[in-house]
Amino acid sequence: GQNIDQPTEMTATEGAIVQINCTYQTSGFNGLFWYQQHAGEAPTFLSYNVLDGLEEKGRFSSFLSRSKGYSYLLLKELQMKDSASYLCAPSGYSTLTFGKGTMLLVSP
Amino acid sequence: ETGVTQSPTHLIKTRGQQVTLRCSSQSGHNTVSWYQQALGQGPQFIFQYYREEENGRGNFPPRFSGLQFPNYSSELNVNALELDDSALYLCASSFGDSSNGYTFGSGTRLTVV
Repeated sequence: GQNIDQPTEMTATEGAIVQINCTYQTSGFNGLFWYQQHAGEAPTFLSYNVLDGLEEKGRFSSFLSRSKGYSYLLLKELQMKDSASYLCAPSGYSTLTFGKGTMLLVSP
Repeated sequence: ETGVTQSPTHLIKTRGQQVTLRCSSQSGHNTVSWYQQALGQGPQFIFQYYREEENGRGNFPPRFSGLQFPNYSSELNVNALELDDSALYLCASSFGDSSNGYTFGSGTRLTVV
């Protein structure tokens, strides 16, 4: 079965750093994706982790521990436009399974 | 690359009716997946097609069906619509399996009244 857990909502201020955690249990695992979704829009790709460790891409970094079934997305130097839902998505044999998403609210 | 396009963008149907949603995949992508996203929830996997064959299905009843065409465009059909079918329906295309990531369309907002 599939079980993905991430916080429902987080708040942070502009310029700060925020870490969004995700724990997962899936049958079959190839890697883990993080997507960003603004209200009323399609999800857009942020990162993909296959191996354990930290992947850095500009202001965004993502970490994976396969043995612990754990990942996090780290957002630095937060901007107002980062207010969105962040979706953790383990990749199984045939498809992606999404968590419910974490709504991040960035305030001035 | 032309991205993934979906039509229509919005649709209102009556309970019991049937609906067909369409998706044009990104050029070169031979795999298409459909997701249902209720308000405030993450996308839920409906099914996936690879080279015109269904090769994965989520926990959705048979009244949800699909087709993929040789040009990699696809359709999602829903029969006997229920109020709970009201949601954003997302089409996502990829090349090969899910490890290559998905490109999502902007979705079709379906409202069942």
